[in-house]
Amino acid sequence: KAGVTQTPRYLIKTRGQQVTLSCSPISGHRSVSWYQQTPGQGLQFLFEYFSETQRNKGNFPGRFSGRQFSNSRSEMNVSTLELGDSALYLCASTETSGRWLYFGPGTRLTVT
Amino acid sequence: GQQLNQSPQSMFIQEGEDVSMNCTSSSIFNTWLWYKQDPGEGPVLLIALYKAGELTSNGRLTAQFGITRKDSFLNISASIPSDVGIYFCAGRGGYGGSQGNLIFGKGTKLSVKP
Repeated sequence: KAGVTQTPRYLIKTRGQQVTLSCSPISGHRSVSWYQQTPGQGLQFLFEYFSETQRNKGNFPGRFSGRQFSNSRSEMNVSTLELGDSALYLCASTETSGRWLYFGPGTRLTVT
Repeated sequence: GQQLNQSPQSMFIQEGEDVSMNCTSSSIFNTWLWYKQDPGEGPVLLIALYKAGELTSNGRLTAQFGITRKDSFLNISASIPSDVGIYFCAGRGGYGGSQGNLIFGKGTKLSVKP
């Protein structure tokens, strides 16, 4: 089975712009979670989608949003980018039981 | 809220040495996961633990779910250069389902001894 894929792998944006990141989960996985990883804060949970519905949300401002499509693919959007949004954004998928969480390679976002 | 302390923060290894790291929680967990992350890549799941006292191996890696359910240990035997990277523990208080209650440690960075 192919693993979790994320596109693009690298992005450079300017402060104030918006960005959309894409994630394709492992085939058969219906749950997709998003995480932000920075050297100072480590891995922080953004939100989780299951069957096109947001199931859980972390403690991030409303500028961070996401959605999931009927084929389980997911996108996350960050509007009005700030310098502090520079991070590695990781997507992870899991099967129905939720016991095993598999990560994608991440999208490295740099905001200048 | 729940906190997860991972130690050590960093360590240097010499080829052939055994390595140990651990995570402790301020509350009881029902799941412990151990990941390894290489530079520029996402974390890769190494071992999953679901039962207090459980000891699970994956090649040269062995992890244990502490009997108090508040800690977990990862050991790497006979380390090799490709073991370098960052190791993360993650713990969850609930059973399966939502990932929102999965908490990650800050990581242990393994480097080669100069």
